[in-house]
Amino acid sequence: SYELTQPPSVSVSPGQTARITCSGDALPKQYAYWYQQKPGQAPVLVIYKDSERPSGIPERFSGSSSGTTVTLTISGVQAEDEADYYCQSADSSGPLVFGGGTKLTVL
Amino acid sequence: QVQLVQSGAEVKKPGASVKVSCKASGYTFTSYDINWVRQATGQGLEWMGWMNPNSGNTGYAQKFQGRVTMTRNTSISTAYMELSSLRSEDTAVYYCARGYCSGGSCYIPDYWGQGTLVTVSS
Repeated sequence: SYELTQPPSVSVSPGQTARITCSGDALPKQYAYWYQQKPGQAPVLVIYKDSERPSGIPERFSGSSSGTTVTLTISGVQAEDEADYYCQSADSSGPLVFGGGTKLTVL
Repeated sequence: QVQLVQSGAEVKKPGASVKVSCKASGYTFTSYDINWVRQATGQGLEWMGWMNPNSGNTGYAQKFQGRVTMTRNTSISTAYMELSSLRSEDTAVYYCARGYCSGGSCYIPDYWGQGTLVTVSS
């Protein structure tokens, strides 16, 4: 089955830049999406189609793609950004596949 | 306003089935796919499948094929997800979520249900 690979955790100090990667063989051919999930809440879309930001999402959230890796970048991290982040894409096995998730800790 | 309201928590024994409902309001139910995603405690998101409420067409993740059935009742704008042959590993929060596909790429842009905890225990 298709897999999207994320680092389990990323730690950053407030005001610094956090980068969360997601790797998968189909990513050069498929868009990637990023969701933020805080404890006890449903996920929220923060990036769609690799690099587009939904309305209401702060400008410090950005996305990029290079080959088999996509990256979520959070510039000027704030305490409220501490959450789990999931990438999502698709492949021939199904239209939605999630990565394993990355816990972002703001030190 | 758009809402997806799910049915309440369930406790089931191994081998039983569970049926979770997801009632949509605030938009035209048949205009958006419904996806089901589950999350075990402390674990990641796992996509289970989707349903087109207009046609009734479905697509299931390979892991769940043969065990999951997604249906709808358009007269009451409600989607259902039934999972059979439950085992302890199926203990999780189950979410319905409104999906959107464009150019062959699908995602969940906005609305999720509040989640339904299904506990499988003998």
